[in-house]
Amino acid sequence: DTGVSQDPRHKITKRGQNVTFRCDPISEHNRLYWYRQTLGQGPEFLTYFQNEAQLEKSRLLSDRFSAERPKGSFSTLEIQRTEQGDSAMYLCASSPERAVYSGNTIYFGEGSWLTVV
Amino acid sequence: QQQVKQSPQSLIVQKGGIPIINCAYENTAFDYFPWYQQFPGKGPALLIAIRPDVSEKKEGRFTISFNKSAKQFSLHIMDSQPGDSATYFCAASRGGSTLGRLYFGRGTQLTVWP
Repeated sequence: DTGVSQDPRHKITKRGQNVTFRCDPISEHNRLYWYRQTLGQGPEFLTYFQNEAQLEKSRLLSDRFSAERPKGSFSTLEIQRTEQGDSAMYLCASSPERAVYSGNTIYFGEGSWLTVV
Repeated sequence: QQQVKQSPQSLIVQKGGIPIINCAYENTAFDYFPWYQQFPGKGPALLIAIRPDVSEKKEGRFTISFNKSAKQFSLHIMDSQPGDSATYFCAASRGGSTLGRLYFGRGTQLTVWP
């Protein structure tokens, strides 16, 4: 399978605990994105990387959230001191740098479901 | 503030019908308008996309109509099938370095009865 891979697929955690999600993009893609999706809503942008550089962060990405892509390949999204409002599906996506205008597109992974109890 | 407004929230049609989903946007800097299909428990998958220099694009049974002056675009599914039952999201993006940041609508849950 050469698609975007996310791990774990499901995570249940107690409020106040830290959680980390991992994303492995399609190998030749140098752009990597994180989105959050809650039930009944469309995905909301969190942040994106070009290679190892984090180029943009949404105001949704509070101080408790941190994303890294240390070697420009896989990425991690950590949520510290989780709150019930963090319960959502966290989606990772990747694309080549020159996505749309070169006929490429943005590919999403299957998502990581987080439930904070 | 919702950058892309989508309607209806849900839609039920019979097999062979032509469901139509509508979206509207305000930001004239948007220049890429994709539609994504999402099945339960799965990530969104690109269905079809359009740029504002064309008014219509067809790919198989899926057609996007685009009205630049009204800042509206819509998805038509011809000869709908039960397998098309899913949630559909419209989205919009600006060009250049921010191309990857997609602004999504809230989604339309489509049910196609056999």
